[in-house]
Amino acid sequence: QQPVQSPQAVILREGEDAVINCSSSKALYSVHWYRQKHGEAPVFLMILLKGGEQKGHEKISASFNEKKQQSSLYLTASQLSYSGTYFCGTVTGGGNKLTFGTGTQLKVEL
Amino acid sequence: DVKVTQSSRYLVKRTGEKVFLECVQDMDHENMFWYRQDPGLGLRLIYFSYDVKMKEKGDIPEGYSVSREKKERFSLILESASTNQTSMYLCASSRSDGYTFGSGTRLTVV
Repeated sequence: QQPVQSPQAVILREGEDAVINCSSSKALYSVHWYRQKHGEAPVFLMILLKGGEQKGHEKISASFNEKKQQSSLYLTASQLSYSGTYFCGTVTGGGNKLTFGTGTQLKVEL
Repeated sequence: DVKVTQSSRYLVKRTGEKVFLECVQDMDHENMFWYRQDPGLGLRLIYFSYDVKMKEKGDIPEGYSVSREKKERFSLILESASTNQTSMYLCASSRSDGYTFGSGTRLTVV
């Protein structure tokens, strides 16, 4: 079963913040986050492992709440280059097989 | 940089044809995956492989098969192409962390 992402779409002005949520109905081993720009392949942003950790990558960070089976991606002081579709991918069993959410379209405008 | 190469960017095939989509990675990754991406549905896993000669069904394997004769190459086969297999096909590889995706093959079945 695919994880549920919210919101489905968001429009920001440059400099604003955004949060994208990813929720699973199954227990999670890990959560991945990817960004895909139009016409390009998805690009790996970060991975969060079981343990309720938070990770950062420039102005993009993420948290993982194992108990709630949720992860959130935080984009602060957004830039035009942040525009794209963000996908979470979840690992719910052994191995490294990802089940992706349906994506969140993010557009940053001037 | 890890590179995942998909042999064709665009492909047009006729209904009933046998179609081969090729994927090659150059970083000695054990894990390889085939996804299809459709608007509103995100990325859905077709097949994956954790080792040479090994393959496992993903969430939507019907109508597809795969071959992994060498570690670096993972082929997706549409035994008898149908119009509902018109889609963007993405190959990915990984070791134990984030995926690296190929540029995708946009397949149209007419």
